[in-house]
Amino acid sequence: SQTIHQWPATLVQPVGSPLSLECTVEGTSNPNLYWYRQAAGRGLQLLFYSVGIGQISSEVPQNLSASRPQDRQFILSSKKLLLSDSGFYLCAWRGVGGYGYTFGSGTRLTVV
Amino acid sequence: RKEVEQDPGPFNVPEGATVAFNCTYSNSASQSFFWYRQDCRKEPKLLMSVYSSGNEDGRFTAQLNRASQYISLLIRDSKLSDSATYLCVVNRWGNQGGKLIFGQGTELSVKP
Repeated sequence: SQTIHQWPATLVQPVGSPLSLECTVEGTSNPNLYWYRQAAGRGLQLLFYSVGIGQISSEVPQNLSASRPQDRQFILSSKKLLLSDSGFYLCAWRGVGGYGYTFGSGTRLTVV
Repeated sequence: RKEVEQDPGPFNVPEGATVAFNCTYSNSASQSFFWYRQDCRKEPKLLMSVYSSGNEDGRFTAQLNRASQYISLLIRDSKLSDSATYLCVVNRWGNQGGKLIFGQGTELSVKP
């Protein structure tokens, strides 16, 4: 069966520090992968999505970047965090020809 | 205007009540529709897909009106365990595959 892993679950980082969040999917190949952010009391905002290795589409201009170095690995990064980067970061995947999305358990990031 | 708009919450209802959530979407290119459930500080999980003919899953009934660009979710005989935030979601297809666009969510609190 397919599973999606995100880590870490919780992260507290100082302003100006770098960030790297990793998401991996098991049990499937060539999934579409997505990064969402949910700010406190807000809805989910799509940040990036990827349909294949090295293919990244950005939805909104921001302080973050994404990479897909392997088929089932999706990484969210920042060189210098801002206070406004705080939020709940969720990775999701959809299989080829699939219908719904499955989310990872998320990383709660607090920038201080 | 947000692409997906939901009833503002929270909805506070007694056990056994029937509660209805409404949602509208603005992009007629939206091609598939879902309701997700999100428990506090957890990732969203798919509750049910929404089909043009309407569909039911136990106590939950979803309806879609493409002409009005309107989606609804009805919960009958509410249980305490139904307390959560309900997210209206549309899948908009493009040349890079589909993207899930989320509404802000409506919080439901079922009281004894």
